[in-house]
Amino acid sequence: DAGITQSPRHKVTETGTPVTLRCHQTENHRYMYWYRQDPGHGLRLIHYSYGVKDTDKGEVSDGYSVSRSKTEDFLLTLESATSSQTSVYFCAISESGTGLGEQFFGPGTRLTVL
Amino acid sequence: DAKTTQPNSMESNEEEPVHLPCNHSTISGTDYIHWYRQLPSQGPEYVIHGLTSNVNNRMASLAIAEDRKSSTLILHRATLRDAAVYYCILRDGGRNAGNMLTFGGGTRLMVKP
Repeated sequence: DAGITQSPRHKVTETGTPVTLRCHQTENHRYMYWYRQDPGHGLRLIHYSYGVKDTDKGEVSDGYSVSRSKTEDFLLTLESATSSQTSVYFCAISESGTGLGEQFFGPGTRLTVL
Repeated sequence: DAKTTQPNSMESNEEEPVHLPCNHSTISGTDYIHWYRQLPSQGPEYVIHGLTSNVNNRMASLAIAEDRKSSTLILHRATLRDAAVYYCILRDGGRNAGNMLTFGGGTRLMVKP
């Protein structure tokens, strides 16, 4: 299994509070991604990174920011959490930026915003 | 990205073959056909991918139509552990554009003992 961990695995927070989710990899892969998955739906891309300090927006980036100061860590921050951000968040990594590359996914973080 | 169409759900008996179809009529010449699956309460996992020729690996086989407008993921002997949502995704193999995955609704495979 690819070495990807996410922390925390579960979090309950209140509306308006800041939240940071962490993704850590031991594979030294260049590309890292944050997706969210809502009940009954496929995953949607929030942000991705193509190197240290290099990030870009995905399909549903509003309300989220990211940072990558080291190859192995990719942080997702909700500056002021809202109930609409209740979701399961998955981190993924990939060695390649082309469509040939396989993505490896972490176990997910279940976030509940009350 | 080109769009894919999959049935919402399928049912299979344990130890029988399963054929999961995917239509992608607007596929371009450099699009690779990828399959991922998501087991309950887990992140997605890669299954297989191909361009034109049929592909086999330890998990499954991928049969690609000659005109590439459709493909079929084949699980040769379904087990209860294969119950999952299967996603068919097209990825442009010719561009270094970040390799993001665009997930549709997928096919929920149910396996009966």
